[in-house]
Amino acid sequence: GIQVEQSPPDLILQEGANSTLRCNFSDSVNNLQWFHQNPWGQLINLFYIPSGTKQNGRLSATTVATERYSLLYISSSQTTDSGVYFCAAWGAGGTSYGKLTFGQGTILTVHP
Amino acid sequence: DTGVSQDPRHKITKRGQNVTFRCDPISEHNRLYWYRQTLGQGPEFLTYFQNEAQLEKSRLLSDRFSAERPKGSFSTLEIQRTEQGDSAMYLCASSFSGLNQPQHFGDGTRLSIL
Repeated sequence: GIQVEQSPPDLILQEGANSTLRCNFSDSVNNLQWFHQNPWGQLINLFYIPSGTKQNGRLSATTVATERYSLLYISSSQTTDSGVYFCAAWGAGGTSYGKLTFGQGTILTVHP
Repeated sequence: DTGVSQDPRHKITKRGQNVTFRCDPISEHNRLYWYRQTLGQGPEFLTYFQNEAQLEKSRLLSDRFSAERPKGSFSTLEIQRTEQGDSAMYLCASSFSGLNQPQHFGDGTRLSIL
């Protein structure tokens, strides 16, 4: 099945800094999503982005499907951005019926 | 859109007991997924329903696990004879069928085995 790798594993920022999180995937994708998991364990949908670029406030994401990677940009970070960021992909090969394969996540800590 | 609802939010039980979790998907969604997340890891796929049909099960789903979606609406996940290794967050997600459909996750049920 598809492999999903995220980097960096940990990221520590001062409030107001910008950051870029990367997700590499091993196969063509039907679906790619970015999630933020807050300290209470809730998985919040950030972007559905199998290709192209999207922006939502201080967050934006770009997926270059032909080169099999996606980037999540966080600008002017705030302490509430802390948590774990997951990338998840549904590989185009096989008959996986849409199951998502998650990366290991990036743990983001934003200090005031 | 009321979102995906899971119940209970937390479950503490003794080893060897049976537990059952419930998931109510977004009402228009015909696909429903169960995932399991252990500490420090990303969620892992367990099983998937298209309407009431269970179409795929992960090797992670041992014989002690069973999932149902009897009328193609809500789903239940039962774990029999729980073991310490079953302690995890159990997440449910739903989506429309077809390609290019995002999955929407519930808040999860956190299971702790004493």
